[in-house]
Amino acid sequence: ETGVTQSPTHLIKTRGQQVTLRCSSQSGHNTVSWYQQALGQGPQFIFQYYREEENGRGNFPPRFSGLQFPNYSSELNVNALELDDSALYLCASSADRGNYEQYFGPGTRLTVT
Amino acid sequence: GESVGLHLPTLSVQEGDNSIINCAYSNSASDYFIWYKQESGKGPQFIIDIRSNMDKRQGQRVTVLLNKTVKHLSLQIAATQPGDSAVYFCAENILSGGYNKLIFGAGTRLAVHP
Repeated sequence: ETGVTQSPTHLIKTRGQQVTLRCSSQSGHNTVSWYQQALGQGPQFIFQYYREEENGRGNFPPRFSGLQFPNYSSELNVNALELDDSALYLCASSADRGNYEQYFGPGTRLTVT
Repeated sequence: GESVGLHLPTLSVQEGDNSIINCAYSNSASDYFIWYKQESGKGPQFIIDIRSNMDKRQGQRVTVLLNKTVKHLSLQIAATQPGDSAVYFCAENILSGGYNKLIFGAGTRLAVHP
């Protein structure tokens, strides 16, 4: 186990709704990255948070947003859900933004109907 | 564009045989390459990594080979066991703008038969 936890485990939402996913990073880690993994594909980088600020972003629209809190836990928010947002959302923590070693949580399975 | 791809989507092997999973990458700026194992219902689990200035690195039952000339990466698993059954991803780490991001391939499913 990596020590990275995510909640909820599963979630079902309707198109157009908003969703918030949560992640607790491994103890001592100040950097959190979020990834989207569609069924049968590899994870795709969404963004990274370092010390409560967005530190980098992949090719995802602005309706994907996030937060990081002083204890380094993080949230991923997705507005105006679309069917294609159905995926496994993975959170990964690393000791520092300059450290390439990322430790993944178990993910949240989001289904949009 | 940035991409990490895999040659074989599914690999079936007999228990005790050696397994080789291959991966092609396209980004020359990668400083590290990492292999992850993902079991059903779990997040990716780190297996082994290799720095871009190395050709080979060995771990416990696993070896990673890097050929930068043809941008090819492979994972060798010795004496494959049923517990090795999973999806394997190669990923390249890109350090850009002060942050690291991983670019993953689509994955190879390894099925180990008794």
